[in-house]
Amino acid sequence: SQQGEEDPQALSIQEGENATMNCSYKTSINNLQWYRQNSGRGLVHLILIRSNEREKHSGRLRVTLDTSKKSSSLLITASRAADTASYFCATDVIGGTSYGKLTFGQGTILTVHP
Amino acid sequence: SQTIHQWPATLVQPVGSPLSLECTVEGTSNPNLYWYRQAAGRGLQLLFYSVGIGQISSEVPQNLSASRPQDRQFILSSKKLLLSDSGFYLCAWTPRADHEQYFGPGTRLTVT
Repeated sequence: SQQGEEDPQALSIQEGENATMNCSYKTSINNLQWYRQNSGRGLVHLILIRSNEREKHSGRLRVTLDTSKKSSSLLITASRAADTASYFCATDVIGGTSYGKLTFGQGTILTVHP
Repeated sequence: SQTIHQWPATLVQPVGSPLSLECTVEGTSNPNLYWYRQAAGRGLQLLFYSVGIGQISSEVPQNLSASRPQDRQFILSSKKLLLSDSGFYLCAWTPRADHEQYFGPGTRLTVT
């Protein structure tokens, strides 16, 4: 089964509203990463949060991590039409020789209406 | 600055034909390299990764193989394509584990 699962699968909001996406995972992690993908394009890294961190900010993005609940959330504040994309969480799992292998969730499709 | 290239951008191949997708990275040395596949509307599945020249690890048994003939070159191959090989193939690199990954633009493969 998937290590990371995003919720909701799809989110539709108006410009200026906040968007919150959640990610749950099953096993202990070194870090959790959020990526963005515009339709038909490669992924772009947004934020990496390590297992000993609880919150990180980058511009309009805020990521939280709760390792006791094995969950993370991505908040985009004051959304813009240009934020329309798919958002994925990915986990770097503890154990063995990781080599930075990431396990991706199925993603949340965000649509921001002008 | 570092750049990652993938080609071709799109490819339509008949069942049973061979495949070769290429990925190259510029501006760095000894990167970790990764091949992912993305089915339509789905997340990414890690196929292969490499931490050095000639070192390939496979994550999923399948019809594909990978090679790393040079430090910054990663190739995905198949001798005979299946319909189920269709998808969006993404190459990525990172300077080390526990670091963000940088993705190429992807190759959209359609097997007919």
